Amino acid sequence: KQEVTQIPAALSVPEGENLVLNCSFTDSAIYNLQWFRQDPGKGLTSLLLIQSSQREQTSGRLNASLDKSSGRSTLYIAASQPGDSATYLCAAGSGAGSYQLTFGKGTKLSVIP
Amino acid sequence: DTAVSQTPKYLVTQMGNDKSIKCEQNLGHDTMYWYKQDSKKFLKIMFSYNNKELIINETVPNRFSPKSPDKAHLNLHINSLELGDSAVYFCASSQNRGEAFFGQGTRLTVV
Repeated sequence: KQEVTQIPAALSVPEGENLVLNCSFTDSAIYNLQWFRQDPGKGLTSLLLIQSSQREQTSGRLNASLDKSSGRSTLYIAASQPGDSATYLCAAGSGAGSYQLTFGKGTKLSVIP
Repeated sequence: DTAVSQTPKYLVTQMGNDKSIKCEQNLGHDTMYWYKQDSKKFLKIMFSYNNKELIINETVPNRFSPKSPDKAHLNLHINSLELGDSAVYFCASSQNRGEAFFGQGTRLTVV
């Protein structure tokens, strides 16, 4: 059974810093890994999807990497801004006949102006 | 032109009532899901449908019954609501095993 862990649970950084969020998963037989952002009281916004054959994906100031063999993914945020404050969730997509996303518990990021 | 839309956004109801949450996606995806986010913000899958066929049915009480009238719709009906059903329910869709898109969530409060 797939399990996803995110470390740290919370992170507070001053504006302008670069930061890394970590995600690990127990079953390396994944199809993909997806990073989401969730603002308080809101839905999930997809940030990046990395296919199992890929090593990284970039979107603007965000860069996500995937090391499938070691069961790890990282989300790198460059030059953080107060608007980046949110909870970041990673989800591993797996399951041969019954594909599903298994989520971590998230990292709550606060960017201090 | 919201991609995945759920109604209602908020639902407050008494114990024992029956309620439904509706979900529609206009992305042309073939797979739809229901996820539950508990009070600790943990997201867990409940059901998934592929082309109107039930694929995943996690250990959810049988008071919860999903219904997919067509590929673009997946509704969730809940019978005999209990206090422990209070949570945020998210609908999502994807094309096969592609990028998943989520609705805004339905916050269900059972009193």
